[in-house]
Amino acid sequence: DIQMTQSPSTLSASVGDRVTISCRASQSISRWLAWYQQKPGKAPKLLIYKASSLESGVPSRFSGSGSGTDFTLTISSLQPDDFATYYCQQYNSYFTFGPGTKVDIK
Amino acid sequence: QVQLQESGPGLVKPSETLSLTCTVSGGSISRYYWSWIRQPPGKGLEWIGYIYYSGSTNYNPSLKSRVTISLDTSKNQFSLKLNSVTAADTAVYYCARAQDSSGPDAFDVWGQGTMVSVSS
Repeated sequence: DIQMTQSPSTLSASVGDRVTISCRASQSISRWLAWYQQKPGKAPKLLIYKASSLESGVPSRFSGSGSGTDFTLTISSLQPDDFATYYCQQYNSYFTFGPGTKVDIK
Repeated sequence: QVQLQESGPGLVKPSETLSLTCTVSGGSISRYYWSWIRQPPGKGLEWIGYIYYSGSTNYNPSLKSRVTISLDTSKNQFSLKLNSVTAADTAVYYCARAQDSSGPDAFDVWGQGTMVSVSS
């Protein structure tokens, strides 16, 4: 089965910062990767699918890149609403989520 | 706009069967994959399984022996049964939709989640 790792596990940042979160798959998943944002007590929200496609309604400050085993989620200018936990998820073979990256206030 | 709503008991006894239903409103069940995903308190997300609108299913190998997902198109609902539960099955259970991109795509619509505790 495909394992997903994320780094860092926690990231402290300020409003306006450029933020980058990394995700790695244990084997190639082509571009079958999604990114989700989750806030406490809420369901995850889809941000990015197929590695770099922006879900409708998601602000353009979110972007995704990568293919194969290495992927990145970038927030170009962190906004107050962006403090949350971010998960990557592969859907090349079944579905596996990464352990999450918590973005908190510096 | 499609909405998903989970329903079912919030408390299940050990060794019994956890049963949940997801009601799909504002859209059709057709041409989508319908999944169950869970999240233990303070932990990450685990996919449980999906059912395609045709009725075909696919389950997480780690849970396959205990899981059944079924579909009721007349009620626009799909259901989860997880048998022989233990405390390790305590989690928030989400239902979610994936588009059909010649296979399931990412989960673009989620229910709000329902907390299920396993305890005597």
